[in-house]
Formats: sequence, C-alpha cells, structure tokens
Amino acid sequence: QVQLQESGPGLVKPSETLSLTCTVSGGSISPYYWSWIRQPPGKGLEWIGYLDYRGTTDYNPSLKSRVTISVDTSRNQLSLKLTSVTAADTAMYYCARAAGPNWAYDYWGQGTLVTVSS
Amino acid sequence: SYELTQPLSVSVALGQTARITCGGTNIGSKNVHWYQQKPGQAPLLVIYRDSSRPSGIPERFSGSNSGNTATLTISRAQAGDEADYYCQVWDSDFVIFGGGTKLTV
Repeated sequence: QVQLQESGPGLVKPSETLSLTCTVSGGSISPYYWSWIRQPPGKGLEWIGYLDYRGTTDYNPSLKSRVTISVDTSRNQLSLKLTSVTAADTAMYYCARAAGPNWAYDYWGQGTLVTVSS
Repeated sequence: SYELTQPLSVSVALGQTARITCGGTNIGSKNVHWYQQKPGQAPLLVIYRDSSRPSGIPERFSGSNSGNTATLTISRAQAGDEADYYCQVWDSDFVIFGGGTKLTV
C-alpha cells in the first residue's frame, strides 16, 4: 500500500524559506505525477505545483516566483521549497500522487501544518 | 484563468439525496474529480473522471458532467457523509480546485 508522509519544520519565520519533504513508501516515484497542495486554516485547497517522473515541473502562477519542487528518486522523496514566506503561507501542506495529467489524486499524505510567525 | 464554482453549503435530510454542483466554462469537456474531506483529515478521492468510483467508495456516490456543470450525487445520505467536498480539474497543465462545499446531513 502506497503511503505518503510529509515532514518539516512546523514554524517558519517571515521572509525565510519553508522546506518540506514527502517520503513515499510502498511504491515508486515513477511513473507518476507528484504535487504539493496546501490548505490555509478554515479555507479551501490550493494547488502549489507538480513534478512528474521525468523531473518536469509546473507551478501555480500565483506562487511560481517563490516555489521549487524537486525529487530524490534514490530516497523516494519529494521536496518543496517556498521562499520569502509571509503569514499568508500558513497552511496545512499535503503531498499527493496522480497517475498523470488529467488524472485524480489517488493518494495523499496526512499533511503537515506550517505556521509562519516570528 | 479557469475557475470552478461550488455552493458554499448544501443540506440534506438523513436518507435523502444530496447534489453538489461544480460550475465551470465548458467543464463537460474536462475530467472532473471529487474529494471528500472530514475535519482533521486529508482529502479522500470519491469520484474520478466524472463518474468513476475508486475501490472502497460506496455506490451511493455518483457523478455526472455535462455542459457547464458537474454534479456529485450522494444517495441515501448518512451522517458519516457530512464533510467538505471539492471538485478538481486540470486546465493546461495547471490544477484547479473548486472552493469547496460543506455538506450537512
């Protein structure tokens, strides 16, 4: 059974970089599409971006200048970096898997809450 | 950019049928996916590609998509169906979520 587990600091200071890791167990990175999705407290889901098994990425235009998604296939890990964070970046961050473009996200991590505060 | 519109809330009596809509320009030409999210939990896929159910999802959950509206239908609603529901599509390599609908049973 595929499992995704997000990890990283729960508290990040304003203007600093948020860094999270998603570890995939029970399955391979390839040949899937992997996304980061976030949810501010009490609000809806916001797609951050994806990385496919070939390393191709695409990002939400509203976040594109601050986001990098990468993969370490040897460790079966996906990572997210979001620079210059503000309080508006406070959210639950999820990683999720899709079989490809136009496919649904069939596996999700449990999420990790990141708070941006000094 | 492409937008998906969902009602903020839908109420249904126990045992009755709930319908949650997701509006978007010519959404009928896209694959629509639906997720259920209960408090404190990650989203769970309940319908993919408009009307297909993943393994383990009850037959009470069904979906349709035509024109400018996709619909998630929950028949014989149960207390355990009370949750937030989100529709989702891909648009030109971007992923779009609807704003979410709170279903009250």
